[in-house]
Amino acid sequence: NAGVTQTPKFQVLKTGQSMTLQCAQDMNHNSMYWYRQDPGMGLRLIYYSASEGTTDKGEVPNGYNVSRLNKREFSLRLESAAPSQTSVYFCASSEAFYEQYFGPGTRLTVT
Amino acid sequence: GENVEQHPSTLSVQEGDSAVIKCTYSDSASNYFPWYKQELGKRPQLIIDIRSNVGEKKDQRIAVTLNKTAKHFSLHITETQPEDSAVYFCAASKSAGNKLTFGGGTRVLVKP
Repeated sequence: NAGVTQTPKFQVLKTGQSMTLQCAQDMNHNSMYWYRQDPGMGLRLIYYSASEGTTDKGEVPNGYNVSRLNKREFSLRLESAAPSQTSVYFCASSEAFYEQYFGPGTRLTVT
Repeated sequence: GENVEQHPSTLSVQEGDSAVIKCTYSDSASNYFPWYKQELGKRPQLIIDIRSNVGEKKDQRIAVTLNKTAKHFSLHITETQPEDSAVYFCAASKSAGNKLTFGGGTRVLVKP
């Protein structure tokens, strides 16, 4: 039981490049989330998916897109990376009103 | 939307002393309040949570209290140990999708 997994662990992009962050969970959770964490700050919700087939914007969605591929997988795409998107990205999953389980994070640097 | 404020931003205590972190929230409809601990370079992990139908909850050296009228909740750590050193985040949620709004975090340093 791996819990929540994320790939890649680290990534360096140039401004304007695109990439997709992958997330998968094996706990059969309905809800999945993407957060970003900037140095010295809390976690801010980018997008979430309350159930398979649905996605909704969070607090900071601009510059990102998501896909809930199936119940297990939830990907985050940066179409044209900007230095302001340098951050640590965490994926999480949960059942409604229960604990959110976080993945190990992806450290992204945009130069 | 919901706004969660957390204080203090840093907290230094002597080993064995108690630590208290306070959070306030803005949306009276919020009804789930988890606390996460994040060690350096690691993922956040839930340490305790409380729901709005409960005023206090304890788990060994950790306790959380909730005051719905004042819209604030607090984390209490007793008999602190060096392994308690970490960043602690409070959060609040009200939706069926369990969308969490996090506070800004408190960096706790326990000095031996």
